[in-house]
Amino acid sequence: EAAVTQSPRSKVAVTGGKVTLSCHQTNNHDYMYWYRQDTGHGLRLIHYSYVADSTEKGDIPDGYKASRPSQENFSLILELASLSQTAVYFCASSDPTGGNYAEQFFGPGTRLTVL
Amino acid sequence: AQSVTQPDARVTVSEGASLQLRCKYSYSGTPYLFWYVQYPRQGLQLLLKYYSGDPVVQGVNGFEAEFSKSNSSFHLRKASVHWSDSAVYFCALTGNYKYVFGAGTRLKVIA
Repeated sequence: EAAVTQSPRSKVAVTGGKVTLSCHQTNNHDYMYWYRQDTGHGLRLIHYSYVADSTEKGDIPDGYKASRPSQENFSLILELASLSQTAVYFCASSDPTGGNYAEQFFGPGTRLTVL
Repeated sequence: AQSVTQPDARVTVSEGASLQLRCKYSYSGTPYLFWYVQYPRQGLQLLLKYYSGDPVVQGVNGFEAEFSKSNSSFHLRKASVHWSDSAVYFCALTGNYKYVFGAGTRLKVIA
């Protein structure tokens, strides 16, 4: 049973359009994360959240917004999609009681293509 | 600043051969270190992790990694690879609950 799911799994968007990527977890974890993966790069942190109704900026937040309406759900919003945002996006969750040693549990990813 | 470097973007090995994937890190304190694997069209999965103790840590599916503070390294090893090990492998470290990932090494196992 997949504990972190993402929707859609792939999406083609037009430049300047709005895109919302959704993530749902059943791990009962407080911490959730959004990453992007580009060829030749590791995963880079966009936004994260420690608790519902609160989000934090990660290392590359420009052009992205995040929303955490509940413990289970975490969305990534591209208000004005751009070509440079073509990438694979991963959501993850972790249990804060593990501290810095906590494993992150990843969803299967969303492949976003902006044309 | 903390960083992770995986110097080999691609590695090809024959089935049954031994494997070493390299990882070098930069971190001011004592790092929490991880290896994750990404199979095609899937998210990342934890292979193993290390913080302290025996510098050789065992993971799943016969993988192990060795920590070296003097070399700032955390290399991943496997004695005998199988075709199903073909995947992308990421080294990572954490600080302040945030992960820093290396660029990944794509492993191809050939017959």
